[in-house]
Amino acid sequence: NAGVTQTPKFRILKIGQSMTLQCAQDMNHNYMYWYRQDPGMGLKLIYYSVGAGITDKGEVPNGYNVSRSTTEDFPLRLELAAPSQTSVYFCASGQGGEQYFGPGTRLTVT
Amino acid sequence: DQQVKQNSPSLSVQEGRISILNCDYTNSMFDYFLWYKKYPAEGPTFLISISSIKDKNEDGRFTVFLNKSAKHLSLHIVPSQPGDSAVYFCAASDSGSARQLTFGSGTQLTVLP
Repeated sequence: NAGVTQTPKFRILKIGQSMTLQCAQDMNHNYMYWYRQDPGMGLKLIYYSVGAGITDKGEVPNGYNVSRSTTEDFPLRLELAAPSQTSVYFCASGQGGEQYFGPGTRLTVT
Repeated sequence: DQQVKQNSPSLSVQEGRISILNCDYTNSMFDYFLWYKKYPAEGPTFLISISSIKDKNEDGRFTVFLNKSAKHLSLHIVPSQPGDSAVYFCAASDSGSARQLTFGSGTQLTVLP
């Protein structure tokens, strides 16, 4: 099992550009999550999904969108990137207990 | 308003001694608590969890204690090893949708050889 995979590992965006962060899991988990981690801070929930076709906002959803067309994939879309979105993004999956995290995507917006 | 707080940003311990990491929470609806370990440039790794119906859970060198009346939990690592050096995050969830996790800000543990 690969677990939770994320691509890309690193990305630099210019202000106003858009991109999609990819996340996939092969554990057949119903629940998937996107978090961001800013320096010296804990992880904050952006969006989550309880199953294919069902998504909901977390604590910090502004500036992001998600979709969940399959159990395996949960991409995060950034529209009109802003410097405040410079962060490390983690995708996770689970079944209602512990969550399993991917390796993260480090995004810089300049 | 931080619902989960880790007030010690860093902790240094000698190899072989006990490491004690602390976490406080304010939301009385939290009923499931977890500890994650994170190395640089990697995702958090699940370490141990505890349900609010228990006050202690043990897994090898790791023990988590929960004091519901004080809204406090702690992670004990005995004996500490240099490979335990990492950032440790406390997290909590309630029984709501998808068991969303609320994280503390982390404690950097350094185990000195």
